[in-house]
Amino acid sequence: RKEVEQDPGPFNVPEGATVAFNCTYSNSASQSFFWYRQDCRKEPKLLMSVYSSGNEDGRFTAQLNRASQYISLLIRDSKLSDSATYLCVVSNGGAGNMLTFGGGTRLMVKP
Amino acid sequence: DADVTQTPRNRITKTGKRIMLECSQTKGHDRMYWYRQDPGLGLRLIYYSFDVKDINKGEISDGYSVSRQAQAKFSLSLESAIPNQTALYFCATSDRTSGRRRETQYFGPGTRLLVL
Repeated sequence: RKEVEQDPGPFNVPEGATVAFNCTYSNSASQSFFWYRQDCRKEPKLLMSVYSSGNEDGRFTAQLNRASQYISLLIRDSKLSDSATYLCVVSNGGAGNMLTFGGGTRLMVKP
Repeated sequence: DADVTQTPRNRITKTGKRIMLECSQTKGHDRMYWYRQDPGLGLRLIYYSFDVKDINKGEISDGYSVSRQAQAKFSLSLESAIPNQTALYFCATSDRTSGRRRETQYFGPGTRLLVL
């Protein structure tokens, strides 16, 4: 079993739609959680951190459920520019605070 | 100018050749990492370094070696390239002083490597 699992998609949605991605992680000792965005053939970039109480950044909302060990990302009012792969990332919180990456969920927003 | 740079951006080589991928950063971060990305597998850690004198193996270090020449430079070498090392390679940096909950990684633009 992968440490961080995501549905690879693709999720094909029209502009203006609301779309949600989920991610599950296997290490219950994980400490920090992030969503990264990766455009085709480009480097991953931090989209947002995920906090225990949930957090919002504009059209993006992230939620964490420690009991069920899953993380979610909600995108409202999808834009064409949201088309990308979204990577769920988990940190082990140890001395090295190493990151483990999910395989990514691909989103395609259509006109 | 980009904070994390990688050279070359694209490389084609033949089986058995030795090649080096280079990474430089101007962020002043102490930690540096090398990952490879293959379709559907996500990013996998090859090596990481927490300072100039600290080098650690990651998940998939076999067939690779690294050198931390200075705080700002971290090189990845393929001693004898093989076709299954064809992948997209990323260098990343992070800053331990940002605290565990805030420590995230900043990636270079990647090197696309093809081994024939």
